[in-house]
Amino acid sequence: DQQVKQNSPSLSVQEGRISILNCDYTNSMFDYFLWYKKYPAEGPTFLISISSIKDKNEDGRFTVFLNKSAKHLSLHIVPSQPGDSAVYFCAVLYNTDKLIFGTGTRLQVFP
Amino acid sequence: GAGVSQTPSNKVTEKGKYVELRCDPISGHTALYWYRQSLGQGPEFLIYFQGTGAADDSGLPNDRFFAVRPEGSVSTLKIQRTERGDSAVYLCASSRDREETQYFGPGTRLLVL
Repeated sequence: DQQVKQNSPSLSVQEGRISILNCDYTNSMFDYFLWYKKYPAEGPTFLISISSIKDKNEDGRFTVFLNKSAKHLSLHIVPSQPGDSAVYFCAVLYNTDKLIFGTGTRLQVFP
Repeated sequence: GAGVSQTPSNKVTEKGKYVELRCDPISGHTALYWYRQSLGQGPEFLIYFQGTGAADDSGLPNDRFFAVRPEGSVSTLKIQRTERGDSAVYLCASSRDREETQYFGPGTRLLVL
């Protein structure tokens, strides 16, 4: 009963192009969503978040879109850079304390 | 400033042994969290401390797992009678307060043989 789903385990994108990572959730009561990025042998690093009162949040090359009716969010990275190669986790903040994570999507940006 | 630190970075133990994993949160952060990440999965919540008290321990898998934070700073996750299924990366995170951004440490990789 995975509450947060990332159905694409991996994604390969050419440098300079757009990367789109997707995430679906099951509970319509979830109201705060986050993306974390993880390099090997490091802990997850916070990237960007969005509240359910918004449908878009932008920070530099990173934009998160939220579609509440579809219970879907996506992370857009443009332009993609080789340093963006990492595992990206979608997460929801539940009960205002714990994070519930998806299984992650491995992004590879090639030259 | 310094981030969240965790020691040891790697721990190999034998089935049935006792292990302790330590977390030093960012100075001044009142909230501290433990997560466990198994291979191919995202991190899974174990326990959350607000100050010295465990505010939510609903993620601890069974009574072999216990965590403390006696002075409201450093926390120790304790696992008794380890089993091979306990092998995972144990992640600690801290935040200034509840609902604030959680910052993660590098994790402790536990291998139970």
